[in-house]
Amino acid sequence: QKEVEQNSGPLSVPEGAIASLNCTYSDRVSQSFFWYRQYSGKSPELIMSIYSNGDKEDGRFTAQLNKASQYVSLLIRDSQPSDSATYLCAVGTLGGSYIPTFGRGTSLIVHP
Amino acid sequence: DVKVTQSSRYLVKRTGEKVFLECVQDMDHENMFWYRQDPGLGLRLIYFSYDVKMKEKGDIPEGYSVSREKKERFSLILESASTNQTSMYLCASSPPRAVSYEQYFGPGTRLTVT
Repeated sequence: QKEVEQNSGPLSVPEGAIASLNCTYSDRVSQSFFWYRQYSGKSPELIMSIYSNGDKEDGRFTAQLNKASQYVSLLIRDSQPSDSATYLCAVGTLGGSYIPTFGRGTSLIVHP
Repeated sequence: DVKVTQSSRYLVKRTGEKVFLECVQDMDHENMFWYRQDPGLGLRLIYFSYDVKMKEKGDIPEGYSVSREKKERFSLILESASTNQTSMYLCASSPPRAVSYEQYFGPGTRLTVT
C-alpha cells in the first residue's frame, strides 16, 4: 500500500524565518509530487508540482525532491502570518493509478 | 485557470434524507473525484470517474453513489443521510493521466446531518 508520511505538527516559526516542511513516500516508482496549501475551513490549493530530482523555485516557495531517499520537502522563505495553514503532500505514479496519494498534512503557524 | 464549483458551501440535512452534492468543472478534465475530509483522518476518496457514465469506488464508497452524465458534472448522492456522514466534502478534477496528476479542488461543501 502506498504511503505518504508527514509530521502533523504544528510547526511554529517566527515571521521572516524559513519554514521547512517534509514528506516521505513509500512507492519507489513515484514520479509526480505536489504540495497543496489548505487554510482552515477551505479546500486544498495546489501551490507546487515537482517531477525531477533537485530544487524547483516559485517565488518564496522551493520544492526539493530526492528520489533516492524518497523524500520531498517544501521550503517557505520569509514566512508570513498569511502562510499559516496546513500543507498537504501528494504523490503520484505515472502509468499506474492516476489518483495521487495524499499525506495527512503538516500544520504551519507563523507567529509575528 | 481551472475552476471547480460545488453547489453549496454549507448544507444541513436530517437523518434519512437523500442528499445531492453537485460539482462542475470548466477545464474539460476527464477525471473527477469526490473526497471527504475529517479532522485527523485526512482526505479519503469516496468515488472517482475517468469518463462520462464511468465510475469507480474509492476507499469509502459505502452509503454513497455517484452520477456522471456529462463530462463537466459529477454528482455525489447520499442515499439516506446518517450522522456519521457529517463532514467536509471536496470535489476535484484532473487532466488525463498521461499528462499529470495535478488535482484541482472545489471550495468544498460542509454537510451537517442532524
